[in-house]
Amino acid sequence: EIVLTQSPGTLSLSPGERATLSCRASPSVSSNYLAWYQQKFGQAPRLLIYGASSRATGIPDRFSGSVSETDFTLTITRLEPEDFAVYYCQQCEISPGTFGQGTRVEIK
Amino acid sequence: QLQLQESGPGLVKPSETLSLTCSVSGGSIRSDSYYWGWIRQPPGKGLESIGNIYYSGSTYYTPSLKSRVTMTVDTSKNQFSLTLTSVTAADTAAYYCAGINYYSYGMDVWGPGTTVTVSS
Repeated sequence: EIVLTQSPGTLSLSPGERATLSCRASPSVSSNYLAWYQQKFGQAPRLLIYGASSRATGIPDRFSGSVSETDFTLTITRLEPEDFAVYYCQQCEISPGTFGQGTRVEIK
Repeated sequence: QLQLQESGPGLVKPSETLSLTCSVSGGSIRSDSYYWGWIRQPPGKGLESIGNIYYSGSTYYTPSLKSRVTMTVDTSKNQFSLTLTSVTAADTAAYYCAGINYYSYGMDVWGPGTTVTVSS
């Protein structure tokens, strides 16, 4: 089983600041199979990034994904009020896939 | 535009069987572009994959639930289903169905979710 470990657990930031979220895979996972999701309270998750770095349809360009070996990063360059939410990474290289435990981005 | 909708009872008794259905609209469950999945989220916790199913009927279940889970597809009704046996309070969760895009391997379509409570 591939375990995804996200850090930090909570990120306290102000609107306009930059958010950097990490996801480490053990064992490693191909970047082709790594996605990021945003979930707001009471809603279903929304796909943000697939293939580690490709933005899904309709996702603003302030969201970006990158990878360095087993470490994946989601960056939000300038936080908008609607970006405060929980973010999950997910791998689907090994079916049925696994999620990280999530990072909460909260208003400071 | 592809849309998914979960349906099923909101309350299930301990030791009984949870059954949910996901109806696919705006496209065919036999799509060459998607396969299908179930994900759950206990109250206040993170997301957990339950399993995937292809329209051919091939399935992949998460190991911790494999002994209790069955997923099926009904192409005539454009639906796929989840059955979870011998439920306990730990199975109380929001249950989501999702479509996994073959080209991106991302879950780019989700149902709104349905809450299932296990309680006597």
